[in-house]
Amino acid sequence: NAGVTQTPKFQVLKTGQSMTLQCAQDMNHEYMSWYRQDPGMGLRLIHYSVGAGITDQGEVPNGYNVSRSTTEDFPLRLLSAAPSQTSVYFCASGQGTDDTNEKLFFGSGTQLSVL
Amino acid sequence: GQNIDQPTEMTATEGAIVQINCTYQTSGFNGLFWYQQHAGEAPTFLSYNVLDGLEEKGRFSSFLSRSKGYSYLLLKELQMKDSASYLCAVKDSNYQLIWGAGTKLIIKP
Repeated sequence: NAGVTQTPKFQVLKTGQSMTLQCAQDMNHEYMSWYRQDPGMGLRLIHYSVGAGITDQGEVPNGYNVSRSTTEDFPLRLLSAAPSQTSVYFCASGQGTDDTNEKLFFGSGTQLSVL
Repeated sequence: GQNIDQPTEMTATEGAIVQINCTYQTSGFNGLFWYQQHAGEAPTFLSYNVLDGLEEKGRFSSFLSRSKGYSYLLLKELQMKDSASYLCAVKDSNYQLIWGAGTKLIIKP
C-alpha cells in the first residue's frame, strides 16, 4: 500500500530555474494539497484541490502553480525559483475536507534548496 | 488573525507523563487535530477532537475545551521513540487547517 508518493526527496536549484515536484496517491482521495514547512512556523498551505480539474490557492500561492488532471496526481510547479522558496515541501491527501474529522495522509517530503 | 500557540520545546524522562498544550484563536471551529512528526519525516495523524472532553487512545490522550480555545495532548509511559515534534491544527469555518509551529519533545533516559 503506497499511500502518498512524493518525489524527489532532495533538490538543489539555482535562482531562476524551474522544476516540478511530483505527488501521487493511490487511496482514491478527492482532496490533495501542498504545504511548505519552515523552521519555527506551522505548515503553510500553498495550493489545494478538491477533485480532478479543480484547484484553489492556499495561504502562500505566489511563485507556484498546480494542476489536477487526474484524481491520483497533483504536481507542484516552481516557475522561477527564488531563495525564499528554500523549504521542506509536503504533499498531503484526504477523502474530503467537509468531513470535519478527515485526517490527512502526507508524502515523505522534499527538501528544496534554492541558491 | 488566526493563531495557534504551542510551546516550542519540552523535555521529559522516559517512563514519565508529559502534557503538551495548544491554545487557538480561529475564525470558527470544525475540529482540532494532533499530528506527530519525527525528525526528517512526514507528519502522521494522532488524534481528533470536536467535542469538549477527553479522547483516549492507548498511551496518548487528547483533551479539548472549546470555550477556552484550549487543547492538550497527554503522553503516558514515555518511550524514547516518542521523541518527535507534535503539531496542533484547527479546522476553521472554511474547513481549512490552521497549524501551530509544533512542540519538539525530547525524551531523556
